[in-house]
Amino acid sequence: QKEVEQNSGPLSVPEGAIASLNCTYSDRGSQSFFWYRQYSGKSPELIMSIYSNGDKEDGRFTAQLNKASQYVSLLIRDSQPSDSATYLCAVKSNFGNEKLTFGTGTRLTIIP
Amino acid sequence: DAGVTQSPTHLIKTRGQQVTLRCSPISGHKSVSWYQQVLGQGPQFIFQYYEKEERGRGNFPDRFSARQFPNYSSELNVNALLLGDSALYLCASSRTSGEGDTQYFGPGTRLTVL
Repeated sequence: QKEVEQNSGPLSVPEGAIASLNCTYSDRGSQSFFWYRQYSGKSPELIMSIYSNGDKEDGRFTAQLNKASQYVSLLIRDSQPSDSATYLCAVKSNFGNEKLTFGTGTRLTIIP
Repeated sequence: DAGVTQSPTHLIKTRGQQVTLRCSPISGHKSVSWYQQVLGQGPQFIFQYYEKEERGRGNFPDRFSARQFPNYSSELNVNALLLGDSALYLCASSRTSGEGDTQYFGPGTRLTVL
């Protein structure tokens, strides 16, 4: 079992619709959860961080965390063509160590 | 404020050579982490340094080494390069080393081994 699993996609969503990205993780000791966006040929860019169960909203983005189910998701409302990218889920487990464990990423395409 | 910077941007080496990659963290950040990202995969953790001490090491061979300088900049060294070392090498910095701290990535160094 992979430590962090994401559906690799590609996921195609019409412009203006809601894009839903999912991630599961295996380490119950995980404390911090991050979503990064990566455009082709570029480095990852932080979108959201979440540490507690529930929802966290930032503009058009909402991160959801359920530690009991070991599940993290990212919702993108009013999807725009500029949202087309690969979305990486990252999990940090150990206090005092900055190691991020990444999933393979979900490739999202917004269709105009 | 300047973000994380890395040099060089691109690098081409041949098998068996050695390479040094450099990273300068965001001002005020004391932690630097290195990741390797091969095409189609998520980044893989190589090292973390905080206050010039190694705080974490990923599952990479001893050919990979790193260090952090008093100004918190860092170098990643890879010896005896293999074709499989071709990847995007990412440096990330964070303010401290602990729970809840966020890592910000530099633009990366694209290494091609021929």
